[in-house]
Amino acid sequence: DVKVTQSSRYLVKRTGEKVFLECVQDMDHENMFWYRQDPGLGLRLIYFSYDVKMKEKGDIPEGYSVSREKKERFSLILESASTNQTSMYLCASSPGRNSNQPQHFGDGTRLSIL
Amino acid sequence: GNSVTQMEGPVTLSEEAFLTINCTYTATGYPSLFWYVQYPGEGLQLLLKATKADDKGSNKGFEATYRKETTSFHLEKGSVQVSDSAVYFCALTPPWTGGFKTIFGAGTRLFVKA
Repeated sequence: DVKVTQSSRYLVKRTGEKVFLECVQDMDHENMFWYRQDPGLGLRLIYFSYDVKMKEKGDIPEGYSVSREKKERFSLILESASTNQTSMYLCASSPGRNSNQPQHFGDGTRLSIL
Repeated sequence: GNSVTQMEGPVTLSEEAFLTINCTYTATGYPSLFWYVQYPGEGLQLLLKATKADDKGSNKGFEATYRKETTSFHLEKGSVQVSDSAVYFCALTPPWTGGFKTIFGAGTRLFVKA
């Protein structure tokens, strides 16, 4: 069965810290995504990657960066955490370049910035 | 531009009641349409999809029909159970975007009472 694993379910960090969120998929999918989920706003795309070392900005990339050194792993980096980055972060993956394919999600990381 | 609008929640129903969650969209061409479900403490998982006009997606007793003429993809279930309590997201992926630009609605929370 398809599996997307996020390294932490809950994380508490302090303002100004550099924060790493890790995501691993075991499906050999080409595409990986990072979203943040906030009440009433649905999911908003931060960054996505369609191949190793390739990345594209989503709708809200400010304050974030990403890294994809291996096909199965996609990391989200908060360069200097701020309180407005407190949120639920969801990683997802999908195969190929077909808009018919659904995305497969991890269970999320609930991040609190104090 | 592309957008998804779904009915605001929460929706509260008694067990065995009929469920409808409305979803309308704006898109150019023929997008792929999806319903995802998020159970408490988990990520999103695909519930059903439809990829062309008049297609009906179905799964676990849920159904939705791709209506191009009304730009709608309403979710229905004839008899809900307590275990259906979750947040439901309508989503679309525009054509010719390689599957990278999925747009999610804000989500509708469903509570089912025993």
